[in-house]
Amino acid sequence: NAGVTQTPKFQVLKTGQSMTLQCAQDMNHNSMYWYRQDPGMGLRLIYYSASEGTTDKGEVPNGYNVSRLNKREFSLRLESAAPSQTSVYFCASVRGQEAGYTGELFFGEGSRLTVL
Amino acid sequence: AQSVAQPEDQVNVAEGNPLTVKCTYSVSGNPYLFWYVQYPNRGLQFLLKYITGDNLVKGSYGFEAEFNKSQTSFHLKKPSALVSDSALYFCAVRGGYSTLTFGKGTMLLVSP
Repeated sequence: NAGVTQTPKFQVLKTGQSMTLQCAQDMNHNSMYWYRQDPGMGLRLIYYSASEGTTDKGEVPNGYNVSRLNKREFSLRLESAAPSQTSVYFCASVRGQEAGYTGELFFGEGSRLTVL
Repeated sequence: AQSVAQPEDQVNVAEGNPLTVKCTYSVSGNPYLFWYVQYPNRGLQFLLKYITGDNLVKGSYGFEAEFNKSQTSFHLKKPSALVSDSALYFCAVRGGYSTLTFGKGTMLLVSP
């Protein structure tokens, strides 16, 4: 029972390089999310996909792009990495998002990114 | 827009003593509130949630939380702390499309 799987777990980039963080869930969930975690700031929402074929900006979308490749997979791309994007990135998923749905989000183990 | 405040960066408690981790929220309408725990170098794990009904919610690992509408609070509690409870705890409120808005987190340190 894998749940939410993120790759890679660790990555070091130089300023200006690009990379893609991959996320896959095997729970047949409809909605998927990307958060970043920084010390003293909690988790902040970057982008989310309420359902296959849709994506929307969260609180801190600048410098990122996302792709909902299919129902299982949701990737996060940094086109030109900056030191301010050094962070731990978490992918999450939940079964539904309709009004009144109250299920909890399931999180991956995180991807630790350092931009030099 | 909804928000969550966790006023304590760190809470220290001795093993066997009761613990409380504080959370207050701001949201229009009925709040859906959650607590998550994060162990070092791990993802977030769900502890419990308040949706409606009884103001005392019971969750995983012996944790419970008390919802207080008049004080807009949702404090996490445990009657007897364990050293293994030491971790980072996040309070969160649900927004549209099941998005969560998190507090900044409270580090719980339980000493032997």
